[in-house]
Amino acid sequence: SAVISQKPSRDICQRGTSLTIQCQVDSQVTMMFWYRQQPGQSLTLIATANQGSEATYESGFVIDKFPISRPNLTFSTLTVSNMSPEDSSIYLCSVSPETSREQYFGPGTRLTVT
Amino acid sequence: SQKIEQNSEALNIQEGKTATLTCNYTNYSPAYLQWYRQDPGRGPVFLLLIRENEKEKRKERLKVTFDTTLKQSLFHITASQPADSATYLCALPRSSASKIIFGSGTRLSIRP
Repeated sequence: SAVISQKPSRDICQRGTSLTIQCQVDSQVTMMFWYRQQPGQSLTLIATANQGSEATYESGFVIDKFPISRPNLTFSTLTVSNMSPEDSSIYLCSVSPETSREQYFGPGTRLTVT
Repeated sequence: SQKIEQNSEALNIQEGKTATLTCNYTNYSPAYLQWYRQDPGRGPVFLLLIRENEKEKRKERLKVTFDTTLKQSLFHITASQPADSATYLCALPRSSASKIIFGSGTRLSIRP
C-alpha cells in the first residue's frame, strides 16, 4: 500500500484566483491521478500525472485550467486556475502501484469558491 | 459508451443482517472489477478486486460476486455493523488498464 498526503486539506478561495494542491506519496510510483468529486457525486478523473512528461487530460479538462506538475516519483501538484463557484469540489490524488491494480487515495482537498 | 450503475438510493439495514449492494455495467467486458469504501470527508479505500474468471471472492465479512453474463457484481457484507456505514463504490478499468471508472456509489447505513 501507499500513504498519501495532500495540502491543503481545505480552502475557501475567491472567484478568479488560483489554488495549487500538493500531493505527496511515501514511496516512488509511476502513475499518479487527479480526480474531482463534486458534492454528492462520484469521482471524475481529471488527468494522469506522468513523471518526465506532460500530464494526460481527460475529455472536458484542459491544461490551461488544471495545470499539473510531476517533478519526481513521489510528488505532484494540481492547480485550479481562474476559479469559479463551479470549481467548488473535493480534489483527490491517487496512485496505482505497478504490481497491482488497486488505487490508493489521498484524503482530498475540499475547495470552496465564493 | 461504458456505463456503470449503482443503486443511487441509500440502503438502510438492521445491524447483524447481510447488506447486498449491486453494480451493473453496460457496453463493457472488464477484465476485473473493484470495490471501494468511502467515508465522509475521506478518499476512497480499496476493499476487493475480482477478476473476470473468478465467480466469487471473500475477505473477512465481505463477499463479492462477478457475473460476466449478467454484467453485474454483487457486494455483500455479512453480520453488518454500524461501523460498516459508508458509501461503497464499484470501479472498472478503462481501455487503459491503469485508469478506472467509478460508479456513483451506494450509501449504506447500518442501524443498531
